[in-house]
Formats: sequence, structure tokens, C-alpha cells
Amino acid sequence: NAGVTQTPKFQVLKTGQSMTLQCAQDMNHNSMYWYRQDPGMGLRLIYYSASEGTTDKGEVPNGYNVSRLNKREFSLRLESAAPSQTSVYFCASSEGERGYTFGSGTRLTVV
Amino acid sequence: GDSVTQMEGPVTLSEEAFLTINCTYTATGYPSLFWYVQYPGEGLQLLLKATKADDKGSNKGFEATYRKETTSFHLEKGSVQVSDSAVYFCARRGSGGSNYKLTFGKGTLLTVNP
Repeated sequence: NAGVTQTPKFQVLKTGQSMTLQCAQDMNHNSMYWYRQDPGMGLRLIYYSASEGTTDKGEVPNGYNVSRLNKREFSLRLESAAPSQTSVYFCASSEGERGYTFGSGTRLTVV
Repeated sequence: GDSVTQMEGPVTLSEEAFLTINCTYTATGYPSLFWYVQYPGEGLQLLLKATKADDKGSNKGFEATYRKETTSFHLEKGSVQVSDSAVYFCARRGSGGSNYKLTFGKGTLLTVNP
């Protein structure tokens, strides 16, 4: 099925470890996004990529980096994980006036 | 800046009750407006949208009308089902140079009991 694929679905990290969350879309969308979802906070934008070759900070970028590898793929990296980064992470993509298409999420726990 | 305010939950209803979830947005420009739904353990799915004033978006029995005069986009359904239990997010498209980005409300948890 066409859509946004995120890997992994679940991850447990120790404080200080690093990891990369992968996201790929097969809809030929130009724009891609990374959000985190925390109880009572809704969705907060971490980083986004308006088009291939560009990335920009969102609302809560500290502690994260991103790479827009090509038009399909947009990865999120945690260099030194902290317990405050325990969250559910969603990748999304969009094109033009259409709404976003979301992946199914990565549930990350940092202990 | 761009923002969306939606009613805080949780909302608990009995099956076949009428549902309203309020949503208002900042009146910067004339943004497209959206409702997304998130079922337990899943990502967000687009439920409906409206792109200009007085437009009505509808899907799966849900409706929302773009009210420019009150800057609102309230979600309604005449008769909810247990399967409608989910978190609902209102969103607006960004303004100016950020018009491809969406700003989301904090979400409203709906629980429908049989």
C-alpha cells in the first residue's frame, strides 16, 4: 500500500545512546515532517523538509538532527538520548494543498 | 502566529449521542482547515477538510463547516458509535511562506460507551 513507512515501531534506549529513526514515502511528495506526540501536548513539530535538499527547524529541534537523503527518505537522529525524549514520533509527508499522510509512529523509551 | 485551539477532553458519550468538538483558529490569512483522527496505537488519518469559507467537509458521518466570521471549524456527528472512540485533532494550514505546514490543536479524546 502507498504511504509513509517508519522504522522501527518500538525502541528502548539507554541515556546517552544514539539512534536514527527512518522514514520513507512512496507518494512522490515534496514535503516531509517529523513530529513528537506527548500526553497533553498534542503534536509538536521537530524538523521539516519543504523539498529535497532543504531542512528547517520546527518548534522543538533541540537534541535532534535530520537528513533528507533523497525525495523519498527523511531520517531523524538522536545523538545522545535523554529521558525527556521518551515519546511517540511520527513522520508525515505532503504535497500541495492536500493534507498530510502520517506514518504509524515509533514509540521510543529512553531509560 | 498560527494556532489552533480545540476543546479539552476527555469527552465521554453513549452510543447514538450527538457529538460536537469545538475548534477555533487564529485568523491569519484564509487557511485550509482539517480534522484528523487517531485510533489507538495508530498514526493520524485525515478525516475531513475545508479549503474556503462556508465550505463543509464531511466523511463517515462527521461534518465540519468553515466559519470565517467566528474563526471556527467545529466537528459534529449526529449519532456516534463505539468505533468512533479515538483522539481527534483540528489543524490549520500555515500562512504566508509556511503555507505547506500544518499547525495542530492538542487533541480531544473521545470515548463512546455501548
